[in-house]
Amino acid sequence: GAGVSQTPSNKVTEKGKYVELRCDPISGHTALYWYRQSLGQGPEFLIYFQGTGAADDSGLPNDRFFAVRPEGSVSTLKIQRTERGDSAVYLCASSSTGTDYNSPLHFGNGTRLTVT
Amino acid sequence: AQSVAQPEDQVNVAEGNPLTVKCTYSVSGNPYLFWYVQYPNRGLQFLLKYITGDNLVKGSYGFEAEFNKSQTSFHLKKPSALVSDSALYFCAVRDTGGSQGNLIFGKGTKLSVKP
Repeated sequence: GAGVSQTPSNKVTEKGKYVELRCDPISGHTALYWYRQSLGQGPEFLIYFQGTGAADDSGLPNDRFFAVRPEGSVSTLKIQRTERGDSAVYLCASSSTGTDYNSPLHFGNGTRLTVT
Repeated sequence: AQSVAQPEDQVNVAEGNPLTVKCTYSVSGNPYLFWYVQYPNRGLQFLLKYITGDNLVKGSYGFEAEFNKSQTSFHLKKPSALVSDSALYFCAVRDTGGSQGNLIFGKGTKLSVKP
């Protein structure tokens, strides 16, 4: 079956611009996660959705970052007034349910964001 | 708070030799531990997990991991390394505290297997 799909795979934008990154999770997965991975580092948690609601957004670095999941499936990560420090690979993952700790997270290939 | 540590930035192994990639953890409560592998320009792929039960866990591609409660370790192992195993390996622990189901990752260990 289809895995987690992220688009675009690469995004280059100028400092100060607005960007949207899309994640299409595995069908039927209710839990969706966004992570950010900088060069040489492990993924860092940004936000977690259970269904349509953001159950935990404690990892979002500041109010320039926002994410939605209006129908409980596809999610969009939105970054306003991008800064060069936002350059990273943004990973999306889904899981059958966030409350079953047995269930592994399934990751997409990521979106590489470069802010020039 | 839950955390994991991967003390080695890089591990070098000759093909056919056994490999070990180290991970130690710190948790409050029962540990839910995972290993993921990342190939260049790809997302993370699940290898194996420890939830409860046998201390030796078997996973994908011939990998296994040994859970050691007294040493709070969860080292990844493979009896005979392949060149194709060269990749970035991440240990992770499930956050059973405030952030439901979130995975907390180590910084990663680069495995290089030479022919």
